[in-house]
Amino acid sequence: QVQLVQSGAEVKKPGASVKVSCKASGYTFTSHYLHWVRQAPGQGLEWMGRINPNSGGSNSAQKFQGRVTMTRDTSISTAYMDLSNLRSDDTAMYFCARHYCDGGSCPLDSWGQGTLVTVSS
Amino acid sequence: DIQMTQSPSSLSASVGDRVTITCRASQSISNYLNWCQQKPGKAPKLLIYSASSLQSGVPSRFSGSGSGTDFTLNISSLQPEDFATYYCHQSYIMPWTFGQGTKVEIK
Repeated sequence: QVQLVQSGAEVKKPGASVKVSCKASGYTFTSHYLHWVRQAPGQGLEWMGRINPNSGGSNSAQKFQGRVTMTRDTSISTAYMDLSNLRSDDTAMYFCARHYCDGGSCPLDSWGQGTLVTVSS
Repeated sequence: DIQMTQSPSSLSASVGDRVTITCRASQSISNYLNWCQQKPGKAPKLLIYSASSLQSGVPSRFSGSGSGTDFTLNISSLQPEDFATYYCHQSYIMPWTFGQGTKVEIK
């Protein structure tokens, strides 16, 4: 079955960077985009961007452009989201999710368990 | 960016009740509308895609409808495991955007 397993919780200081990983299994990694979505404590879901694991190309929300880098390593079916210049309001749970497109709306059909990133001095 | 507005923000209901949640897009998104359910401390789970298609494994008491700008999620008979927060989101155009969520609580 499709599984996305994310790296563990991180605590970072303001101004630092964090790199979250998302290891995929149960499907062909290069066949589906992977998206990143975050959720601040007690808040809603916020789309950050997506990566094409086949080409490595990515798109990100304007809010994160210049701070977010999405990469992948196809040899180990793993995607990475790197967020730099962290601020306290980046404290959130970060999720990766598979974009499944078979016609229709192409939803996010499988999600990782989430990685809590805490930014604190 | 397309704004997604859900209503209500929260509701209280009893087991067995019929529940309706609405989602409105700030511009037409055709049927590129998805619904997911999130329980505390867990990842979201896809319920409905393409506005009205039931994701595999999701109980048939969940249904979705709508197109263009107005959409609805219905739960025909609320079960104890359905108490959660529900989000709509559009996958029509980037940036993908989510509604603010509707929390369904026990009355």
